[in-house]
Amino acid sequence: QLVQSGGGSVRSGGSLTISCSASGFTFSVHAMHWVRQTPRKGLEHVSSISSDGVNIFYADSVRGRFTLSRDNARNILFLHMGSLGLEDSGVYFCVKDSGPFKVHPFDLWGQGTLVSVSS
Amino acid sequence: ETVLTQSPPTLSVSPGERATLSCRASQSVNNNLAWFQQKLGQAPRLLFYGGSGRATGTPARFSGSRSGSEFTLTIDNLQPEDFAVYYCQQYNDWPPGTFGQGTRVDVK
Repeated sequence: QLVQSGGGSVRSGGSLTISCSASGFTFSVHAMHWVRQTPRKGLEHVSSISSDGVNIFYADSVRGRFTLSRDNARNILFLHMGSLGLEDSGVYFCVKDSGPFKVHPFDLWGQGTLVSVSS
Repeated sequence: ETVLTQSPPTLSVSPGERATLSCRASQSVNNNLAWFQQKLGQAPRLLFYGGSGRATGTPARFSGSRSGSEFTLTIDNLQPEDFAVYYCQQYNDWPPGTFGQGTRVDVK
């Protein structure tokens, strides 16, 4: 399972880190993703990291502001979000990939974490 | 970036009837398309992958199929727990793994 923590409310321009603790599977052999859900854009694939942490993807909307990392020894995924804007508000889901990187389905989702950015 | 168009946006169906949901891709995704079910206040749950591969726990009344660039999710004999929002997602040419806008299945 994937258990998320962090999130909450922050002022525009601020920072926040959310994390995802994995259990019940071999974390180090699976790519991981963050997908956010907003009323305006629906489900948006925000960021991904390969199983070994070498390959990292960011959506254009967050590149340069968000940093994704993973600790395979502790089975934890982190997303540090900086320079937050109102458009970053939404529910963020940690998602497990069924493979190490690319062309595999996303097969397990965390419970979601609400991020609320105010002006 | 591959765009997925789901139709209809809302589908009103009576319990026990069949629901047919469509997802059309703007370019080839091969069979690398998944269907998710999301109930209010919950995370999405994987139903199908590879177009028609049933995920663990997906009831047999659900089926997935593909015809060219159009993928279809069919729910036979709709049960009360099936009323939810359904999303398709392509994982063929990610990043990004784009999602459709969803089809809401509600009670007629």
